[in-house]
Amino acid sequence: DAEITQSPRHKITETGRQVTLACHQTWNHNNMFWYRQDLGHGLRLIHYSYGVQDTNKGEVSDGYSVSRSNTEDLPLTLESAASSQTSVYFCASSETPWAETQYFGPGTRLLVL
Amino acid sequence: AQSVTQLDSHVSVSEGTPVLLRCNYSSSYSPSLFWYVQHPNKGLQLLLKYTSAATLVKGINGFEAEFKKSETSFHLTKPSAHMSDAAEYFCVVTLSGGYQKVTFGTGTKLQVIP
Repeated sequence: DAEITQSPRHKITETGRQVTLACHQTWNHNNMFWYRQDLGHGLRLIHYSYGVQDTNKGEVSDGYSVSRSNTEDLPLTLESAASSQTSVYFCASSETPWAETQYFGPGTRLLVL
Repeated sequence: AQSVTQLDSHVSVSEGTPVLLRCNYSSSYSPSLFWYVQHPNKGLQLLLKYTSAATLVKGINGFEAEFKKSETSFHLTKPSAHMSDAAEYFCVVTLSGGYQKVTFGTGTKLQVIP
């Protein structure tokens, strides 16, 4: 069965360190998304990609970057982790952008000390 | 601009009684509307979606929602709550008019009392 996986599931890091969160999907979807989930905010879009070599900033992109070198993977990098980036991060993919169903990964819980 | 408001952050119902989770939206264009469910420590799963076809949308696990343009609402209902329905529910609006943006509501936590 097709799926979307994230690793690690839990991560503790220190302020100032670079952190990369992995996202891998086997749906063969062109569209991939990264969100963060914080209490009182729902999910907010960080970055998204419509295909290989395409990346776009979302609502809360400052301090984050992504790269898309193949269809399956969209790693999210925190360039210099800050305590404000403590959150739960979700990766998602969809067959067509926006108006279609998104399939979510299980999430990565990140704590920045 | 678009926005989505989930009117209740917490809803508590007894098992076997109806569920109503309220969602209001605003959008300048024809919206697509979704309800997702998130069980503890899990990712989000689609319950149902509205994309300008029938206004009454049926989803999984007995849930349904009605798109009411005049009221700008997309409330989620279920006739009889089950213990397994206890989760957090998110209303989501996206624009299908070519402008790429997705907006999530802040979520409603549903508690089901035995």
